[in-house]
Amino acid sequence: GQNIDQPTEMTATEGAIVQINCTYQTSGFNGLFWYQQHAGEAPTFLSYNVLDGLEEKGRFSSFLSRSKGYSYLLLKELQMKDSASYLCAVMDSNYQLIWGAGTKLIIKP
Amino acid sequence: GAVVSQHPSRVICKSGTSVKIECRSLDFQATTMFWYRQFPKQSLMLMATSNEGSKATYEQGVEKDKFLINHASLTLSTLTVTSAHPEDSSFYICSASTGTGHTEAFFGQGTRLTVV
Repeated sequence: GQNIDQPTEMTATEGAIVQINCTYQTSGFNGLFWYQQHAGEAPTFLSYNVLDGLEEKGRFSSFLSRSKGYSYLLLKELQMKDSASYLCAVMDSNYQLIWGAGTKLIIKP
Repeated sequence: GAVVSQHPSRVICKSGTSVKIECRSLDFQATTMFWYRQFPKQSLMLMATSNEGSKATYEQGVEKDKFLINHASLTLSTLTVTSAHPEDSSFYICSASTGTGHTEAFFGQGTRLTVV
């Protein structure tokens, strides 16, 4: 079966760095996405990785290792507004998005 | 970036009535649109995939006669919840893609449906 695993909840301090991990087992691979979702709102796109390595975009970076079926989202200089759920999703061989359950990130002052 | 507009953002309806939710791609042609449902504190659950001009493909367990999807043009897809019941209360989200090779799914704002 297809499976996406990510921690249910994480807590971090304002100004710090946090890494949210995602491991996956899917039928084929056509890229991995990270989305941010605030409570009661639709997800917003953060990043897309299809090749191994690190993609940096401002305070957010995303890493992918296809051989390990592993990705992480790195958030630097955390701000209170970063409190949200972070969803990992993999596009399989049929170009369907397989979603993780999301990681709720709590930022404390 | 591409914009997907979903309407209404919130709707309250009586049990037994039908509700239509619209999803429009404003600045691109959406060959494929996806409809999701999300329960509180849970991830998105794909309900169906619709391609312009053809019948929607429903995920297992989703009643196609209850959740009617129409994708009549490259910029508009609609989801109609027929004979709504309180258990249909949920957050419904659409996303749009220009095709299978597209690397980003552009989401609408979501619709909070409450059936009373």
